[in-house]
Amino acid sequence: DAGITQSPRYKITETGRQVTLMCHQTWSHSYMFWYRQDLGHGLRLIYYSAAADITDKGEVPDGYVVSRSKTENFPLTLESATRSQTSVYFCASSLSPPSSNQPQHFGDGTRLSIL
Amino acid sequence: GENVEQHPSTLSVQEGDSAVIKCTYSDSASNYFPWYKQELGKGPQLIIDIRSNVGEKKDQRIAVTLNKTAKHFSLHITETQPEDSAVYFCAAPGGGSYIPTFGRGTSLIVHP
Repeated sequence: DAGITQSPRYKITETGRQVTLMCHQTWSHSYMFWYRQDLGHGLRLIYYSAAADITDKGEVPDGYVVSRSKTENFPLTLESATRSQTSVYFCASSLSPPSSNQPQHFGDGTRLSIL
Repeated sequence: GENVEQHPSTLSVQEGDSAVIKCTYSDSASNYFPWYKQELGKGPQLIIDIRSNVGEKKDQRIAVTLNKTAKHFSLHITETQPEDSAVYFCAAPGGGSYIPTFGRGTSLIVHP
């Protein structure tokens, strides 16, 4: 039972570079989410997806791009990384909408540092 | 949208004591309230949840209570152990959206 996996676990890059964080789930969950976690801010939603080819902006989408060509994958791309995007990024999935009594399942995160 | 407030931000207890974390929410249409535990270096993991038609739910040393009138729900951990040390998050979906809003988290420290 692989569950939900994120890669890489750690990444260091420079400002202006493009970087892609990967997320893969083996449950065929319809819903997938990207959060960033910063001290004092808790979990903030970046983007989410209800199904393949359907994505929506969350609370803090600026500077990020997502795609969902396959149900199991939901990559997050920083097109031109900035220092303010240094954070821990979590991917999550759920079988059906979280409000319908379905919890979210989180990966173990990617710690991203932008120099 | 939904607004979730979580208190306290830090909670320090002695092993064997009880711990209580409280969340309030704003949208009366919210109907599902999960609690997540995040250990160091890991992602949040569901530990217990409660639906709006239930006032209390227990799972061994963990319980959650819900007061829909007052719009708050609480996590209760009894007989705390050092391995309970972690950050705990509450969440509520809001009636108009399926996207959950998370509380800011509570860092629970259990001293041996």
